[in-house]
Amino acid sequence: GESVGLHLPTLSVQEGDNSIINCAYSNSASDYFIWYKQESGKGPQFIIDIRSNMDKRQGQRVTVLLNKTVKHLSLQIAATQPGDSAVYFCAENLENNDMRFGAGTRLTVKP
Amino acid sequence: KAGVTQTPRYLIKTRGQQVTLSCSPISGHRSVSWYQQTPGQGLQFLFEYFSETQRNKGNFPGRFSGRQFSNSRSEMNVSTLELGDSALYLCASSLVGRDGYTFGSGTRLTVV
Repeated sequence: GESVGLHLPTLSVQEGDNSIINCAYSNSASDYFIWYKQESGKGPQFIIDIRSNMDKRQGQRVTVLLNKTVKHLSLQIAATQPGDSAVYFCAENLENNDMRFGAGTRLTVKP
Repeated sequence: KAGVTQTPRYLIKTRGQQVTLSCSPISGHRSVSWYQQTPGQGLQFLFEYFSETQRNKGNFPGRFSGRQFSNSRSEMNVSTLELGDSALYLCASSLVGRDGYTFGSGTRLTVV
């Protein structure tokens, strides 16, 4: 069935390196995507979003790339810091306005 | 501006009891959605309210219910609690569609 999925459940990077977190989606009609960061004991925190009419969007130290051809979404974090350690979720907005979430990727930043 | 506020933050209940959780959305947001988050199942959609009407519903039993008030604040209720209802309950709000879909910090419910 259609799903939002993450290629890697865990990612470990060295402090200062760049991180790339990937997400595959299979609903070609999804028009809006969001990345969230969730720290232990907290709710998901909005990081960045992108609409389907764009292929790239940049924020502060983060960039989201959308490849509609292969239905792939990625989150790039530049100069990863210990405070970036968290679980990252991608979410897609389906055509009926349902939000569907991926399972999440745990990012660990080593000092 | 204030974010999404959920109360209480933590709750411990006994099997068979019922519980009510509260969510105050961001000012101006009219859509409020509820999710259950567990380590094994991830984020699962419970229901969405918009202008005091339930607009969408997930696949949860009738023990899970909710409502929304005229000021957009929402409550969810779980009756006849089971051990498996232990989870982090999150609400998220947005204007009309999904732009800026923002979560609260959640209510951690433990059923013993």
